[in-house]
Amino acid sequence: DIQMTQSPSSLSASAGDRVTITCRASQTISSHLNWYQHKLGKAPRLLISFASTLESGVPSRFSGSGSGTDFTLTISSLQPEDFASYFCQQAFSSPWTFGQGTKVEMK
Amino acid sequence: EVQLVQSGGGVVPPGGSLRLSCAASGFTFDDYAMHWVRQAPGKGLEWVSLINWSEGSTQYADSVKGRFTISRDNSKNFLYLQMNSLRVEDTALYYCVKDIRRVTFGVFDSWGQGTLVTVSS
Repeated sequence: DIQMTQSPSSLSASAGDRVTITCRASQTISSHLNWYQHKLGKAPRLLISFASTLESGVPSRFSGSGSGTDFTLTISSLQPEDFASYFCQQAFSSPWTFGQGTKVEMK
Repeated sequence: EVQLVQSGGGVVPPGGSLRLSCAASGFTFDDYAMHWVRQAPGKGLEWVSLINWSEGSTQYADSVKGRFTISRDNSKNFLYLQMNSLRVEDTALYYCVKDIRRVTFGVFDSWGQGTLVTVSS
């Protein structure tokens, strides 16, 4: 199975901050990497697919980059509604596996 | 608007069975692969099972293979997960998840609200 290592596991930030979350795959996955946002009590939301494709309706302050084994999710200017957990997921091969998540908390 | 409304969770003793259901609406159900994904308390997300647009193609995580069965009724727009021989470690919030294609691409673009399964004596 492909292992996904996400960091940091949590971070504290203020509104307006630039936030970067990284995800590393245990083997190359090309660009088959997705990012999701998850708020407590709500269904997870797909933000970015294929490493850098922003889903419809997702604000442009979210961006993704990377290929191979190393990937990054960036929030250019954190908004109050962005305080949530974020997790990556590889879509290269079954079983599809997820990173452990990054909780973005208010400083 | 895509809606995935889940039902069927609950408390069951070890060795017991449970069936989860997911009612889909807002899209052409048989045009998409569907999955079940779970999250145990305090743990990360774990993919559980996949069924492509036709019932002929299914996959399972090793942790549930031989105990869980995924199925779908395209005439009723329902996805199911039959869970047998349940173990304490199957305790989790289970999500019904829609893929972006008929034959899975592993991209999960819509999620249900989750249904809690607790395996406990």
